[in-house]
This record gives sequence, structure tokens and C-alpha cells, in this order.
Amino acid sequence: AQSVTQLDSQVPVFEEAPVELRCNYSSSVSVYLFWYVQYPNQGLQLLLKYLSGSTLVKGINGFEAEFNKSQTSFHLRKPSVHISDTAEYFCAVMTGTASKLTFGTGTRLQVTL
Amino acid sequence: DAEITQSPRHKITETGRQVTLACHQTWNHNNMFWYRQDLGHGLRLIHYSYGVQDTNKGEVSDGYSVSRSNTEDLPLTLESAASSQTSVYFCASSVNSYEQYFGPGTRLTVT
Repeated sequence: AQSVTQLDSQVPVFEEAPVELRCNYSSSVSVYLFWYVQYPNQGLQLLLKYLSGSTLVKGINGFEAEFNKSQTSFHLRKPSVHISDTAEYFCAVMTGTASKLTFGTGTRLQVTL
Repeated sequence: DAEITQSPRHKITETGRQVTLACHQTWNHNNMFWYRQDLGHGLRLIHYSYGVQDTNKGEVSDGYSVSRSNTEDLPLTLESAASSQTSVYFCASSVNSYEQYFGPGTRLTVT
């Protein structure tokens, strides 16, 4: 069975500062990895995904993530955050044998001036 | 524009009542999913469908049912609502396995 751990439930950061949201996964088979963002009172929107190939994945809104197979991690980064990045961020994993997503518990990114 | 909609957006019901949450997508996606979102749990899969007449149980399916009579709709039914089913429910759809599109959610309160 696969699982996802998001180590930080909340991450406060000042505007224009860099941020890293951590995600670790466990799976006995190869995986596909995703980051979703949820703005207040909205559904989830795909930020980026890793399927294969380059381990550095770039997504929307200036976010990127790096797949590290040896550390089973898929951390999300942004070099300079904006107030508008305040949202809940979910890491998710999918195995190659099914189309079901397993989500982490989420990290709330709070950007302040 | 194609979209995925959920109705109602908010619902208050009493314990023991049957409740049906609607999900409708206009992308003609084969795959549809229902999740519940609870604080400290993230999103958990309730039921999913890979096409008409196909339904499958997810991680937390007890007390819920779905049916898929056409491509566009996957209604979620709570047979006898319980307070433990107070949650925010999200429907999603996908054409392939790799990107799911989510609806705006339904906030359900069971009193």
C-alpha cells in the first residue's frame, strides 16, 4: 500500500521569501507524484506532476518540485512567494497499476507581509 | 467551457436521512471519483468509476453508494446519514490516469 506524509501542517512565510513544502511517500512499486493547491472555498487544482524523465518538475505559478527516489521525497519549492500563494497544498501519489490518488494531510502555506 | 459541477454546495441534514450529492462533468471523462476532506486526514477516496455501469469502493466507502448510468454524472448517496459523515465532499474526473479535475465541493453537515 502507498502512503504520503506531509511533515508540516502549517508553514508561515513572509512575502518574497523562498519556501519549501515537504512531502515523503512510501510505495513498493514505481509511483507518479503530484502537488495540488486548494484556495479557500475552492476545489483542488493541479500544480505539477512527475510521471517520468527529469526529476525536476516545473509547474504553474512559479512552483517546482524535485523527485528524489533514494529519499522517497517530492518537495515543493518556490523561490519567492506572494500573498496570493496563501492556500492549502496537497501532495499525492499514484501507482502505475491504478488511477487512484492517495493524498497527504496537507500543508497550509500562510504568506504575510 | 467544459466543467465539473457539484450540487448542492451546502447541505444540512438530520441523522438517519438519505442524502444524495450530485456531480456532473461536461468533459466526457470516463473516470470519476468521490473524495471526502476532513481536517487532519487530507482527501480520502470514497468511490470511483471508470465508465458507465462501473463502480468501485475506495478507502472509506462504508455508508456510501454510487451509480453510473451515463458518462456525465456520478451521484453519491448516503444511505442513512451519520454525524461522522459531516465533511466536505469533492468530486473529480479524469480522461487519463494522471490529472484529475476537481469540482468546487459540497459542505455537508449532519445534525
